[in-house]
Amino acid sequence: AQSVAQPEDQVNVAEGNPLTVKCTYSVSGNPYLFWYVQYPNRGLQFLLKYITGDNLVKGSYGFEAEFNKSQTSFHLKKPSALVSDSALYFCAVRDRRNTPLVFGKGTRLSVIA
Amino acid sequence: DGGITQSPKYLFRKEGQNVTLSCEQNLNHDAMYWYRQDPGQGLRLIYYSQIVNDFQKGDIAEGYSVSREKKESFPLTVTSAQKNPTAFYLCASSVSGTSTEKLFFGSGTQLSVL
Repeated sequence: AQSVAQPEDQVNVAEGNPLTVKCTYSVSGNPYLFWYVQYPNRGLQFLLKYITGDNLVKGSYGFEAEFNKSQTSFHLKKPSALVSDSALYFCAVRDRRNTPLVFGKGTRLSVIA
Repeated sequence: DGGITQSPKYLFRKEGQNVTLSCEQNLNHDAMYWYRQDPGQGLRLIYYSQIVNDFQKGDIAEGYSVSREKKESFPLTVTSAQKNPTAFYLCASSVSGTSTEKLFFGSGTQLSVL
């Protein structure tokens, strides 16, 4: 069965500093990987996805993620954090058998001015 | 929130009562999903439907029921058998149920028990 681990419940970073939100996955075969963001009392918004090809994926709002097959990781990154990036971030994985998306438990990012 | 409307925004359930959460989409998407969100537990799949008149159980379907009579609608009923219904419920849809498609989410319904 596929699964996702987000090892950090909370990540704190100063505004202007780079940020990383970690994600590791377990899936049979090659994965499809996604990142979503959730602002308070709202639904989730899509940030980016990895399907195949270049290991560095660029997404919305200046975010990017690096797929590392040997480490089974898909960490979310941004070179310079903004206070407005403060939100709950979810990593998700699907295998190629068309099963539903499986989400991690989420990581709360707090960017401090 | 991308053409998916969930209502109501807040809902209160009395003991032994069934309640229905509405989810409507105007995106012409084939696939629709219901997730439950609890603090610290992420999103867990309740039910999903990849086509009209067909749906499958997710990981936590017990105490819930759904229907998919129309492409644009996927209501979720929380029955009295669901003993711990307090949670934030999210509906989502995608163009099709294929693995590469991203999900579009509604803004959620917060269900609480009186």
